[in-house]
Amino acid sequence: DARVTQTPRHKVTEMGQEVTMRCQPILGHNTVFWYRQTMMQGLELLAYFRNRAPLDDSGMPKDRFSAEMPDATLATLKIQPSEPRDSAVYFCASGLGQSYNSPLHFGNGTRLTVT
Amino acid sequence: DQQVKQNSPSLSVQEGRISILNCDYTNSMFDYFLWYKKYPAEGPTFLISISSIKDKNEDGRFTVFLNKSAKHLSLHIVPSQPGDSAVYFCAASWNRLSGSEKLVFGKGTKLTVNP
Repeated sequence: DARVTQTPRHKVTEMGQEVTMRCQPILGHNTVFWYRQTMMQGLELLAYFRNRAPLDDSGMPKDRFSAEMPDATLATLKIQPSEPRDSAVYFCASGLGQSYNSPLHFGNGTRLTVT
Repeated sequence: DQQVKQNSPSLSVQEGRISILNCDYTNSMFDYFLWYKKYPAEGPTFLISISSIKDKNEDGRFTVFLNKSAKHLSLHIVPSQPGDSAVYFCAASWNRLSGSEKLVFGKGTKLTVNP
């Protein structure tokens, strides 16, 4: 059963440090999404890619967050410098085509704690 | 501003009874709606969806109802089972003609099914 793989599962870091989260989408999927889950905001869309091209990153704080897809098997989300308010669970999801006819498959997330 | 709202953070029901989870939306451009289920320490998984041209979609014990005039949808689980205990997210997708694959999520409702 194909799955979206996210690493690391947990990350604890100090404020000001760089954090890199990685995602391996399901082979053949052409859309990749980064979501962040917090108690206050629920699941927020940070950025998404179609065929490795960034289409929307309006949900990301541009000054500290960056998202890339170096190749079709890897998506990365970087935070530099990290802040305590970035503490959340970050989910990667991949899909094939439009969300209405190809539901997203989520990874198990990276739980980030910034102290 | 939340475009998809789940106003009940939690719901508790007895095994065998019906569970009804509600969701409201504000954007009339949404034309496809989905429900995802999430267990602790896992990513959300797709459960059921409905197009705006329908008012009901059924899949086994799960039925989603859509009331477009009220901008309201609900998920019915009958009969409820302890394994259904999870957080349920309502999500909405834009008009397919827009070409966007984004999903907007509600904050979730935690369902507890008591044996």
